[in-house]
Amino acid sequence: QVQLVQSGAEVKKPGASVKVSCKASGYTFTSYGISWVRQAPGQGLEWMGWISAYNGNTNYAQKLQGRVTMTTDTSTSTAYMELRSLRSDDTAVYYCARDCSGGSPGDCDFDYWGQGTLVTVSS
Amino acid sequence: QSVLTQPPSASGTPGQRVTISCSGSSSNIGSNTVNWYQQLPGTAPKLLIYSNNQRPSGVPDRFSGSKSGTSASLAISGLQSEDEADYYCAAWDDSLNGRWVFGGGTKLTVL
Repeated sequence: QVQLVQSGAEVKKPGASVKVSCKASGYTFTSYGISWVRQAPGQGLEWMGWISAYNGNTNYAQKLQGRVTMTTDTSTSTAYMELRSLRSDDTAVYYCARDCSGGSPGDCDFDYWGQGTLVTVSS
Repeated sequence: QSVLTQPPSASGTPGQRVTISCSGSSSNIGSNTVNWYQQLPGTAPKLLIYSNNQRPSGVPDRFSGSKSGTSASLAISGLQSEDEADYYCAAWDDSLNGRWVFGGGTKLTVL
């Protein structure tokens, strides 16, 4: 069965960086992409960006450009999301979700999700 | 402020039918399909409806989706207590180099 298992909770100070991992199993990793979605406490869902596990192409949300980097390691079927220059408003649960590998994103969806990783930014 | 607009709350009694609306624009719902996600308290979101009206395997047929123009809706018939959750609509938006956009979420309460 398809599973996305994320790394554990993190506590970071403002200005630091965090790197969250998402290990995939149960499907051919390079046939799909991974999107990252975050949810601040008590708030809705916010898309952060997407990476193709097939060729490494990325598309980041405009508001995070320059602070976020998404990568994959196909040898371990793991996706990573690094967020730099952390601020208090980056405190959120971060989710990875299986997405299309490319093509027509307008016809895609997030059919499997990781369990979420709580990142707390506090001095 | 979310790109897609949903009512913040909805409610119904067991057995009732409730609908949740999702309003967008020509760059998102108007030109791409709509997906719906269910988020039970303390858990990750789960895909509930994809491609406007398709149910993934395992999703009861009490859940249905529709789309017309730049709006979409989710209907839940035969409401059950376990349906109490947050519901989010989502669509690809063709503006700004392309991005996924979500509604602000609707908290469904089963009275």
